[in-house]
Amino acid sequence: GAVVSQHPSRVICKSGTSVKIECRSLDFQATTMFWYRQFPKQSLMLMATSNEGSKATYEQGVEKDKFLINHASLTLSTLTVTSAHPEDSSFYICSAYGTVSGNTIYFGEGSWLTVV
Amino acid sequence: QQQVKQSPQSLIVQKGGISIINCAYENTAFDYFPWYQQFPGKGPALLIAIRPDVSEKKEGRFTISFNKSAKQFSLHIMDSQPGDSATYFCAATYHGSSNTGKLIFGQGTTLQVKP
Repeated sequence: GAVVSQHPSRVICKSGTSVKIECRSLDFQATTMFWYRQFPKQSLMLMATSNEGSKATYEQGVEKDKFLINHASLTLSTLTVTSAHPEDSSFYICSAYGTVSGNTIYFGEGSWLTVV
Repeated sequence: QQQVKQSPQSLIVQKGGISIINCAYENTAFDYFPWYQQFPGKGPALLIAIRPDVSEKKEGRFTISFNKSAKQFSLHIMDSQPGDSATYFCAATYHGSSNTGKLIFGQGTTLQVKP
């Protein structure tokens, strides 16, 4: 079946630095990718919608200058957390949607970000 | 109107029992209702999904019941096993031009199946 890969699975960075998380659809072309954030024991909160070749659409309350999203190709979207702070520490998950995947939405394995 | 309400928040079931998780939605434009299973530290995995043109869908031990008029849907796990212990999320989306694939999640249910 379709697979969505995220990298890195875990990352620790220092406050004030930037960190990039990649989301790849491995065997289908994802016309749309989504980025979610999940705090422990909570649900997934949609951060932004990423369409290939266009600017991301951010949900209300999400700082677009802090969470930079790039969807350069039909198989790759990246989330860059800029000037990271400890409160940005969270589990970040991407999902990918494409017509080839049978209109099904597949999730990556998630990336744990710890800002120290 | 975009919310999906899920209950219960937590559930304890004996091995072999039936686990039932309920969700309710408001937006009648939703046309795809998946259930996801998530283990600690992992991303959600699609378990089963239903569209509003059917009232029930069964895959192995997992069944979705859908009540369009009540705007409710539920997940039933038959013969629950300790390996089913996880967090379950219901979700909803609709295939509007700017919303295709955009999932609205319920709050999650932590299921514990006791041996």
